[in-house]
Amino acid sequence: GENVEQHPSTLSVQEGDSAVIKCTYSDSASNYFPWYKQELGKGPQLIIDIRSNVGEKKDQRIAVTLNKTAKHFSLHITETQPEDSAVYFCAATGEAGTALIFGKGTTLSVSS
Amino acid sequence: DTAVSQTPKYLVTQMGNDKSIKCEQNLGHDTMYWYKQDSKKFLKIMFSYNNKELIINETVPNRFSPKSPDKAHLNLHINSLELGDSAVYFCASSQDGGGPSGANVLTFGAGSRLTVL
Repeated sequence: GENVEQHPSTLSVQEGDSAVIKCTYSDSASNYFPWYKQELGKGPQLIIDIRSNVGEKKDQRIAVTLNKTAKHFSLHITETQPEDSAVYFCAATGEAGTALIFGKGTTLSVSS
Repeated sequence: DTAVSQTPKYLVTQMGNDKSIKCEQNLGHDTMYWYKQDSKKFLKIMFSYNNKELIINETVPNRFSPKSPDKAHLNLHINSLELGDSAVYFCASSQDGGGPSGANVLTFGAGSRLTVL
């Protein structure tokens, strides 16, 4: 089955800096890679996703890159703001009938 | 209008008790899930139902029994609660169950925090 590794587990940046979170996956059949943001006391919310036929996707200050050969994908947040502070999860899935498999999360702290 | 709603939000109970968590989605999705989030924030799939049928049943003790009366509801019943069951349980739904065509965009509820004393 799929296994997703996520690094780092914690990340502290100054407001305005960039933040990068990296994930690797094991199943070469995986074809969908979403990123979720979880704020304190809330459920995870989808912030961006990418499918295997695309190498990069951008939405305002956030972007995701995918390297299928190396089986890794990354989340990039530019011009970080205090409200970006949260736990971020990467995930992967591919086979029919399988659920999303999540990484262990990255706690991002943005200080002003 | 809440898309995926879970009740109760907090549940404190004694070891050995039986408890249920309810989940409802108003998104018209076909697939619903239960995920468990432990104290280290790790999100692990427990069950998945597609149109009332069980399609994923991970290695979960059989004290946990999901029930889907219709495709908009997925409840979780837990018998003989143990200390290790303390966690936040998240219900989620998606338009379909994944596969080569993609989708699998999950919408999560706000979570139900279970504390077993």
